This record gives sequence, C-alpha cells and structure tokens, in this order.
Amino acid sequence: GIQVEQSPPDLILQEGANSTLRCNFSDSVNNLQWFHQNPWGQLINLFYIPSGTKQNGRLSATTVATERYSLLYISSSQTTDSGVYFCAVGNGYSTLTFGKGTMLLVSP
Amino acid sequence: EPEVTQTPSHQVTQMGQEVILRCVPISNHLYFYWYRQILGQKVEFLVSFYNNEISEKSEIFDDQFSVERPDGSNFTLKIRSTKLEDSAMYFCASREVPGGNEQFFGPGTRLTVL
Repeated sequence: GIQVEQSPPDLILQEGANSTLRCNFSDSVNNLQWFHQNPWGQLINLFYIPSGTKQNGRLSATTVATERYSLLYISSSQTTDSGVYFCAVGNGYSTLTFGKGTMLLVSP
Repeated sequence: EPEVTQTPSHQVTQMGQEVILRCVPISNHLYFYWYRQILGQKVEFLVSFYNNEISEKSEIFDDQFSVERPDGSNFTLKIRSTKLEDSAMYFCASREVPGGNEQFFGPGTRLTVL
C-alpha cells in the first residue's frame, strides 16, 4: 500500500512564528487531504489538495503530485493552532492512508 | 454547510458488551467509511461501504465488526463483543459519488471499554 511520511514529528513554536509541515508519499495519488486534530480529538478538514496550491486565511497548502509531496504552511501561528496535523492520501475511490502526524505546540 | 454527524460523542462500555456507533452521512453522498484511531496513534481504515454492501475492509475489521445502512440516512458500526483493545476514537466519513474524491469526516465517537 501507499506509504505516507510526515515531518517533523514534533514542532514547538512561539506565537507569531511561521512553520512548514511536510508530507511525502510513495505512489501517485488523486486524493490528498490535510486535517487538524483538535484537543477534543475531532478531525477538522483543512484542505483537499491532490495538486496545486490553496490558501485559507493564515493556512496554505501546496501539493506537487509529480514529486510526491505536499506542504502545509502556517503563518503567524496562534495558540489555537496547537494540535496534531495529519496528511492523508488515496487513489481513486480507495480509502485514505494517514501519516503519523505532526504535533504542533504554539506557546504564547 | 452540510456535515457528517456521529452519535454518541462518547460511549463507555464493559468488556464483552455490544456497542453500536451511529453516523449520519451527508445526504447526497453514497460512499461511506469507518476509521479508527487508538490513542496516540494514527488514523486507520476499517471498512468502506457502497451500494448497500462492503466494498473494502482492512485486517482490523474481523468478525466482531459489522456495518449496516438500516435506513436512508443512518450508517452504523456494530462491535459484537467489545475488547479492551477496541478502545479508540471511531470516525465516520462519506464521499459524493460521482463527484470528487474528498472524504468528509464526522467529529468522532470516543469508545472506552472497561
């Protein structure tokens, strides 16, 4: 099956700093989604981005499908950005394969 | 904006008991999924369901598990005889068919088996 690797595994930032999270995957995909898991365990859908670039407020994402990676950018981080960020990929109508996540802590 | 809903948000049960986790997918979606996440681990696929039958299942989805779409709106996951290791967060997801590949996730049910 598809392998998904996320880096870094942990990240600590001061409020206001910027960060880049990376997701590498082992095979071609036509579905890539980024999620934020909040402290209550809920998965919040951030981006559906199998290719190209999208932006939503302070967050943006870029997927380079031909090189099998995706990047999630967080600018001007806030304490509410803390949590685990997951990348998940899939092919066709198949299931999503999740990475192990990046745990982000933003301190005031 | 339409969303996937799940009930209950938290379920506590005794080992050996049966539990049913409920999901209401987005109304025009036809492809449904269950995933689970053991505390501190990554999210894992359990089963997918389309056209009233299982289309794919993982090794985790053994005979203790079953899924059903009992009516036009609900999608359920049943665990017949819960074990301690079934304690996890269970997520339901749905996808529009045809349309895109994006899966929309519910908020999850936290199952605790004592």
